[in-house]
Amino acid sequence: NAGVTQTPKFQVLKTGQSMTLQCAQDMNHEYMSWYRQDPGMGLRLIHYSVGAGITDQGEVPNGYNVSRSTTEDFPLRLLSAAPSQTSVYFCASSDRQGGNEKLFFGSGTQLSVL
Amino acid sequence: RKEVEQDPGPFNVPEGATVAFNCTYSNSASQSFFWYRQDCRKEPKLLMSVYSSGNEDGRFTAQLNRASQYISLLIRDSKLSDSATYLCVAPSGGYNKLIFGAGTRLAVHP
Repeated sequence: NAGVTQTPKFQVLKTGQSMTLQCAQDMNHEYMSWYRQDPGMGLRLIHYSVGAGITDQGEVPNGYNVSRSTTEDFPLRLLSAAPSQTSVYFCASSDRQGGNEKLFFGSGTQLSVL
Repeated sequence: RKEVEQDPGPFNVPEGATVAFNCTYSNSASQSFFWYRQDCRKEPKLLMSVYSSGNEDGRFTAQLNRASQYISLLIRDSKLSDSATYLCVAPSGGYNKLIFGAGTRLAVHP
């Protein structure tokens, strides 16, 4: 059981480039989310999804797009990378049933934008 | 004011000590809360859920104070392996947004 898989683990971009961070889970979880973590600021919610075809904004959505075409996948797109998007990105999922809020996290993507 | 606030620490304590962290939240409608543990450069992992009656798991006790809108985490008999960052989590906007605090760093020394 792989859990939550994120790719790539590391990425370096130039300002203005676009890319997609991949996230997949094999636990049939309805809820998926993306966080970014910066030093001293904890995890900040970017976007989340409560099921296929349904997405919504979190605390810091600007500069990022998401889609949820399947239950398993929740990719995060950076349309035009900026140095301010240098961060560690975590994808997480949860079954959200019966008040179960346990989030299962991927191992993270370290992104540097030059 | 941030929705979830924590003292960043670090808390430096000797092995065997008892240490407590507090976390304040601003959404008075929140019903359930969580403590996550994060080791350096690793993903966060659920430590405990916190409901109205509190929660205890071995050396760890979590309490909720609704009147003052804070939750606490008590660690008894600290171990070297408890050294980590502890993240407080509260739901916002109807449970679909889980908001993390910035974390409290704990360092347990021999």
